[in-house]
Amino acid sequence: GAGVSQSPSNKVTEKGKDVELRCDPISGHTALYWYRQSLGQGLEFLIYFQGNSAPDKSGLPSDRFSAERTGGSVSTLTIQRTQQEDSAVYLCASTLDRGPTDTQYFGPGTRLTVL
Amino acid sequence: AQSVTQLGSHVSVSEGALVLLRCNYSSSVPPYLFWYVQYPNQGLQLLLKYTSAATLVKGINGFEAEFKKSETSFHLTKPSAHMSDAAEYFCAVKASSASKIIFGSGTRLSIRP
Repeated sequence: GAGVSQSPSNKVTEKGKDVELRCDPISGHTALYWYRQSLGQGLEFLIYFQGNSAPDKSGLPSDRFSAERTGGSVSTLTIQRTQQEDSAVYLCASTLDRGPTDTQYFGPGTRLTVL
Repeated sequence: AQSVTQLGSHVSVSEGALVLLRCNYSSSVPPYLFWYVQYPNQGLQLLLKYTSAATLVKGINGFEAEFKKSETSFHLTKPSAHMSDAAEYFCAVKASSASKIIFGSGTRLSIRP
């Protein structure tokens, strides 16, 4: 049962490598968000998927970042040619999105460290 | 465009004292407002939300927040702090016509014995 799950929980990579982060939302939730939480910073919005609509990618910081959501369920966030400033906790959240006040349910996050 | 500002990145209070965490928002339309809490080594969870039904909103663990349109504020309070309240608190805003929630930078609450 469950809640939102993310994998891996921790990822250490070398600068210049590509990484993939996975998010499994709560079953039946139509909307999925990715956020980035850097040390001492708030949650930075990255991307939002809602059903079959085109995703809102307005928060992606550069073209090295991309995300997809297959079958309206699992989502993968890919960071190409990682840089040290990409080090952060990447959080995923899902919601039923029945309205603007729907509760977001967050996963535990993936802590990414770029050496 | 909407935004949210949390005043004070770190607040420290004594156990049993009043907790006040400040949040001011900016929105071109009547907003929906949220407080989320992140306990150490845990994910974020909803504390409470304002949906325009009532200006005083009660949440979990004895917290409440009051929406004040004239002050564009949504401050979080708790009459008596408990050690278990130590956590990071995030204020968030969502415009009714927008798709994404915008979070503040967070306030870390510490409780002194």
